[in-house]
Formats: sequence, C-alpha cells, structure tokens
Amino acid sequence: GAVVSQHPSWVICKSGTSVKIECRSLDFQATTMFWYRQFPKQSLMLMATSNEGSKATYEQGVEKDKFLINHASLTLSTLTVTSAHPEDSSFYICSATPPGRVEQFFGPGTRLTVL
Amino acid sequence: AQSVTQLDSHVSVSEGTPVLLRCNYSSSYSPSLFWYVQHPNKGLQLLLKYTSAATLVKGINGFEAEFKKSETSFHLTKPSAHMSDAAEYFCVVINTGTASKLTFGTGTRLQVTL
Repeated sequence: GAVVSQHPSWVICKSGTSVKIECRSLDFQATTMFWYRQFPKQSLMLMATSNEGSKATYEQGVEKDKFLINHASLTLSTLTVTSAHPEDSSFYICSATPPGRVEQFFGPGTRLTVL
Repeated sequence: AQSVTQLDSHVSVSEGTPVLLRCNYSSSYSPSLFWYVQHPNKGLQLLLKYTSAATLVKGINGFEAEFKKSETSFHLTKPSAHMSDAAEYFCVVINTGTASKLTFGTGTRLQVTL
C-alpha cells in the first residue's frame, strides 16, 4: 500500500508554454501533499504544501503565480508551471502521507525540460 | 529548528563488504528519522523509519539503522553490499513543529564495485 503516482514521467516543452504535472495517491486519501524540486546531484527542495480544498502554502522564494498548485480532491494534486523557461527545467517530485502515518511516500518524479 | 548532517557525500565499497552511511541530527524535540533511497531518475523509496519505539530499526533490503540519542546519530548499515544498492541515500528528519515538513540531508552517493 501507500503508492503515489505522477504523470507524466517526463515532458519537453517550448519556452513560454505551460505544463501541468499530476500527483495521485492511489490507495489512500491525502489531505496534504508536498511538491519538491530537485536539481542534479542535489537534495530535494520543498516548494509548497498542497492542502485539499484550500490554498497551497509556498516556501520562501517560490513564486506562487509561476507554480500553480491545485488540490481539488483527496487523491489528486496538480502542479502547473506557467510560462516555463529553461531555468525551470528540473526534476519535480511529489509526496503524501497516509492517515495515521508519519512518513511521506514519494511519487516517481517528473523530468521537465524547457527548450 | 531541526537539521540533518550526512557526513559523507560519497561512499565506495566492494560488493559483499559492509556498508556504513553516517547521519547526525539536531532537534529540539524527540525526532522521527528516516532513510530514503533514490535510484537515478526515480522517486524516493523509504528504507526504514525511527519513531520513538525500538532504537534498532530494521528496514527493507537488509538495511538497518540505530538511533543513538547520546550521539545524536542515526547511521545506516548493511552487512553485505550488493551491486543493486548503488544509489543516493537521504537521511531525513521530520519537523513535527511545522506541519510535518521534512528536513533532508544533502545525500550520500553509494558506489558498489566488483
């Protein structure tokens, strides 16, 4: 149990376009999901906490108008990178914690490349 | 505030020899600690967790870790390395005071040679 999926696993887009990444908890409900960004050979950086039915909480330095987060149901959170630029190219990972657990379960990640 | 320090950015071992990945933590409260593994271009997989129960924690794939409060350490060990263990390992502490946010170590890359 406790499986988190992401879609797509990789995406290539042109500069100036928007890209949506989906994060789903497959076998549990998640009122809170987390979005991370990871640069090559570095650790994960928390971007935002996604809360079902309410606004996301963004970490300092993360542009909320650029990285739009929607958590419309207990099993789905989406991250939309708006007007993407090459510097947004990165590995994006989501996670969620099943009820009653303390550990987070991570999705397989999405590799975004902006040309 | 909580923090995690992974003492080695890179560890290389021969297949069949023991593995030791070191982690020290700092926490104002009783922490929950985790080890995660990440293979290239993959998400993170939970290896094991410590949540104030037994101090010696056994995880998947033969890994275990011991919580030592006096040394503020949570080192990861495995008696015999396998080629498939080559990956990036993250020591993580949960910040229970701030909405369950995780604090990550900088990671240790484990290389396993023949």
